[in-house]
Amino acid sequence: DAGVIQSPRHEVTEMGQEVTLRCKPISGHNSLFWYRQTMMRGLELLIYFNNNVPIDDSGMPEDRFSAKMPNASFSTLKIQPSEPRDSAVYFCASTARGLAGYEQYFGPGTRLTVT
Amino acid sequence: AQSVTQLGSHVSVSEGALVLLRCNYSSSVPPYLFWYVQYPNQGLQLLLKYTTGATLVKGINGFEAEFKKSETSFHLTKPSAHMSDAAEYFCAVSDRHSGGGADGLTFGKGTHLIIQP
Repeated sequence: DAGVIQSPRHEVTEMGQEVTLRCKPISGHNSLFWYRQTMMRGLELLIYFNNNVPIDDSGMPEDRFSAKMPNASFSTLKIQPSEPRDSAVYFCASTARGLAGYEQYFGPGTRLTVT
Repeated sequence: AQSVTQLGSHVSVSEGALVLLRCNYSSSVPPYLFWYVQYPNQGLQLLLKYTTGATLVKGINGFEAEFKKSETSFHLTKPSAHMSDAAEYFCAVSDRHSGGGADGLTFGKGTHLIIQP
């Protein structure tokens, strides 16, 4: 199994630009999560989907952030317009019904730098 | 609302010594509990988890943790530290939904484990 796949691995962009982060969950997993990691705030849940439906987006910091899951094998997290304070590592994770405790498998992350 | 407290942002032990990383949680219902490890510039890898049943759980790389409901704790231990154990360790909780279904994780701030030769 390829694991959770995220792209790009690194993104450097200028303030005001649109940024799109991509995630492919593990095949057969029906829940997908987006997290953000910063030195100041640690690991935070941004949004998660069950069966492609957004369940909880209360962690999305502002309207500049949006996430979609058009099908079971793909999700995007978009920031428009981006700001320097959005610089962080963004992780995608997935899990499946039947995994005890719904243990989550994490991707390698996308390191975003906004200048 | 859930919360997780990891006591000590940095823990330093000698190679071969006992490793003890502390985690306390608060949750309105008995949660699922997890420990993850993160090596530099990598994603998070599951070390072990508690869901139900035996309160002492064993994980990968010789780690284990004990769920103590009365103390709301889930401390991580390893009898003998290896240099390769140097990493960031995160304790996390998630809710059990009565109707089933996955939930997001609430993480502690992390503990950086340093192994002295």
